[in-house]
Amino acid sequence: GQNIDQPTEMTATEGAIVQINCTYQTSGFNGLFWYQQHAGEAPTFLSYNVLDGLEEKGRFSSFLSRSKGYSYLLLKELQMKDSASYLCAVKDSNYQLIWGAGTKLIIKP
Amino acid sequence: IAGITQAPTSQILAAGRRMTLRCTQDMRHNAMYWYRQDLGLGLRLIHYSNTAGTTGKGEVPDGYSVSRANTDDFPLTLASAVPSQTSVYFCASSDSVVGDVDTQYFGPGTRLTVL
Repeated sequence: GQNIDQPTEMTATEGAIVQINCTYQTSGFNGLFWYQQHAGEAPTFLSYNVLDGLEEKGRFSSFLSRSKGYSYLLLKELQMKDSASYLCAVKDSNYQLIWGAGTKLIIKP
Repeated sequence: IAGITQAPTSQILAAGRRMTLRCTQDMRHNAMYWYRQDLGLGLRLIHYSNTAGTTGKGEVPDGYSVSRANTDDFPLTLASAVPSQTSVYFCASSDSVVGDVDTQYFGPGTRLTVL
């Protein structure tokens, strides 16, 4: 079966750095996506990785290792507005997105 | 530009009733999707459409049907609602299915409760 694993919940302090991990086992791989979802709202796109390595976009970076079936999302200089769920999704061999259950990130002052 | 709109925002429905959730996008995207999101579970694909006139089954299609008569609209119908269909439903669209980055854009969601 196909599986995406992420921690259920993480807590971090405002101004700090946090790393959210995602491991996956899917039938094929055509890219990995990270989305942000605030409570009661729709998911919004954050980043995309298809090749190994780090993609940086402002305060957010995403890393991929295809051989290890592993990705992480790195959030720097945390702000209170970063409190949200972060969803990892992998596009499989049928070009369908397989979604993790999401990691709820709580930011404390 | 509205992006993707969904209606209704929320609905309480008696079991056994028929219900259509509406989804409209104005981005001229080829592909559209319906997901359900339940607490503790990832988004699960119900049905999808790669282009107008075609539809396909996702991971959890039973009890749901869709149509794609044109590019903009992708309604989801529950023929006879059951309590296990209580969920938040998201419609999404993307420019393509296959591509370097075919980001999916989501509508605001419909919160459905079946009693």
